[in-house]
Amino acid sequence: KAGVTQTPRYLIKTRGQQVTLSCSPISGHRSVSWYQQTPGQGLQFLFEYFSETQRNKGNFPGRFSGRQFSNSRSEMNVSTLELGDSALYLCASSLEGPSGANVLTFGAGSRLTVL
Amino acid sequence: EDKVVQSPLSLVVHEGDTVTLNCSYEVTNFRSLLWYKQEKKAPTFLFMLTSSGIEKKSGRLSSILDKKELFSILNITATQTGDSAVYLCAVEGYSGGGADGLTFGKGTHLIIQP
Repeated sequence: KAGVTQTPRYLIKTRGQQVTLSCSPISGHRSVSWYQQTPGQGLQFLFEYFSETQRNKGNFPGRFSGRQFSNSRSEMNVSTLELGDSALYLCASSLEGPSGANVLTFGAGSRLTVL
Repeated sequence: EDKVVQSPLSLVVHEGDTVTLNCSYEVTNFRSLLWYKQEKKAPTFLFMLTSSGIEKKSGRLSSILDKKELFSILNITATQTGDSAVYLCAVEGYSGGGADGLTFGKGTHLIIQP
């Protein structure tokens, strides 16, 4: 069974640009969550999608957005990039959502560097 | 706001030692506490503890949850160099809108020396 696949694995952007990251969940998983990981703040919740609807959102500015497609694949977008957006972006999927009864399985992440 | 504090932040021990990692938390409407191991890339799941399952064990790893005192510990016995990793603790609560996203601690960086 294939795991959670994230693309691209590495990317470099400059301030002011925008970026789109992609996540393919485990087959059959309908919930996709996104997290930002930085050395200073650790792992922070961005948002969660279930059946193409955003079900939960963390405390990030509106420059961070996402969507989910009918096949459960998800994308997240960051517009007007800032230096502080440099981070590892992790996607995780689960069967029914982070309800406590279903464990999140993480992808390897997309490492974004903003210059 | 939910909060998770892990201690120590880093720990260096010798192979064969036993280690105890700590996690204290504050969460609105507790649903579960999870432990993950992160080496180079994706965090991998270790344990989930809930009100109905406050002790878990798998091989040399074990974890307990104290819901009254709001903490959890992760024990690793007879440590091996392959146990070197960052160990992450996370809690999940729920609000009126349903389950919230996981709140993670900063992690404990464990180094096992041969």
